[in-house]
Amino acid sequence: QVQLVQSGAEVKKPGASVKLSCKTSGYTFTNYGITWVRQAPGQGLEWMGWISAYNGNTNHAQNLQDRVTMTTDTSTSTAYMELRSLRSDDTAIYFCARDWGAYCSRPSCTPAAYWGQGTLVTVSS
Amino acid sequence: QTVVTQEPSLTVSPGGTVTLTCASSTGAVTSSYYPNWIQQKPGQPPRTLIYSTTIKFSWTPARFSGSLLGGKAALTLSGVQPEDEAEYYCLLYYGGAYVCGSGTKVSVL
Repeated sequence: QVQLVQSGAEVKKPGASVKLSCKTSGYTFTNYGITWVRQAPGQGLEWMGWISAYNGNTNHAQNLQDRVTMTTDTSTSTAYMELRSLRSDDTAIYFCARDWGAYCSRPSCTPAAYWGQGTLVTVSS
Repeated sequence: QTVVTQEPSLTVSPGGTVTLTCASSTGAVTSSYYPNWIQQKPGQPPRTLIYSTTIKFSWTPARFSGSLLGGKAALTLSGVQPEDEAEYYCLLYYGGAYVCGSGTKVSVL
């Protein structure tokens, strides 16, 4: 079955970077894209971006595109999301999610369907 | 900056029907926005229920349905069950990126 297991909680200081992982199993990694969504404490969901493990295409939310990098490692079936220049308002749970459909070159092609458990990132001095 | 607006909260009785809406600050929502509806219960990851306006997943209960209504995306819950109490988010696509709505807290009382 499809599984997405995310890395453990992180505590970072303002200005630092964090790189989160999303290790997948149960399917052919390179056929599907991965979406990243975050949720600040007590707040709503925020779509961060999407990467195609099929062809490497990425799309990012406009307000994050200067600070976020999404990558994949096909050898370990793992997706990564790095966020730089952390601020206190980056404190959130970060979720990864796998696409429903395969071989997509843009995020509108197919929805996010299988979700990871989330990783809490706390940014505090 | 694009804003996607949902009702902050709605209350429905068990067995009743409730409709949640999702409006865009840019104008009428159409199928080209590929509306998604996501359910989230406290302490749990999100769960996508509906995509491309109306399409359900195998895990989506039949009582959930998506539509376009009066220039907005809509999610209708018919025959509401106590387990439907949750936060619901819509997601709209704006030519390269999605934007999440502010969320609707549905209470079943």
